[in-house]
Amino acid sequence: GAGVSQSPRYKVAKRGQDVALRCDPISGHVSLFWYQQALGQGPEFLTYFQNEAQLDKSGLPSDRFFAERPEGSVSTLKIQRTQQEDSAVYLCASSLVWRELVNEQYFGPGTRLTVT
Amino acid sequence: AQSVTQLDSQVPVFEEAPVELRCNYSSSVSVYLFWYVQYPNQGLQLLLKYLSGSTLVKGINGFEAEFNKSQTSFHLRKPSVHISDTAEYFCAVSLLGFQKLVFGTGTRLLVSP
Repeated sequence: GAGVSQSPRYKVAKRGQDVALRCDPISGHVSLFWYQQALGQGPEFLTYFQNEAQLDKSGLPSDRFFAERPEGSVSTLKIQRTQQEDSAVYLCASSLVWRELVNEQYFGPGTRLTVT
Repeated sequence: AQSVTQLDSQVPVFEEAPVELRCNYSSSVSVYLFWYVQYPNQGLQLLLKYLSGSTLVKGINGFEAEFNKSQTSFHLRKPSVHISDTAEYFCAVSLLGFQKLVFGTGTRLLVSP
């Protein structure tokens, strides 16, 4: 079946522009995660949805970052007034969830954002 | 807060040789442990995970890892590597009852003929 897809795969933005990154999770997956991976670093957690509810946004680096998942499926990560330090690969992952059980997170290929 | 340390940023090895990628974690509570692999321009793929039970965990592609609670380690091993194992490997933890992952900085495995 189809995995997690992300679009665009590459995005170049001029400093100050707004960008929107899209994630299509695996059908039926309840949980959705966004991670930011800077060059040469491991992914860092940004935010987490269970269905349409954003349960944890503790990793969002500033109020310029905003994520939504209005119908509990597709999610969009929006970055306003982009800065050079926002340059990174943005990874989306989805998983099934049953209470406290830990389920495998399936990752998309990521969106590489370059802010010039 | 929990953290993950991968001391080796790069590990070069010859094809068919054994390899060990090191991972240490710190946490004041019990955690789940994971190893992910990332091939160029691709997302992360789960190799294996430790939730409970046997401390030796077997994963895909011939990899295995051993959980050592006293040393807070979860080292990844493979007895004989292939050229195709060249990739970035990430160790990660999550707290019991929580879903988000905390990753290490990664180890690049370079397999040469």
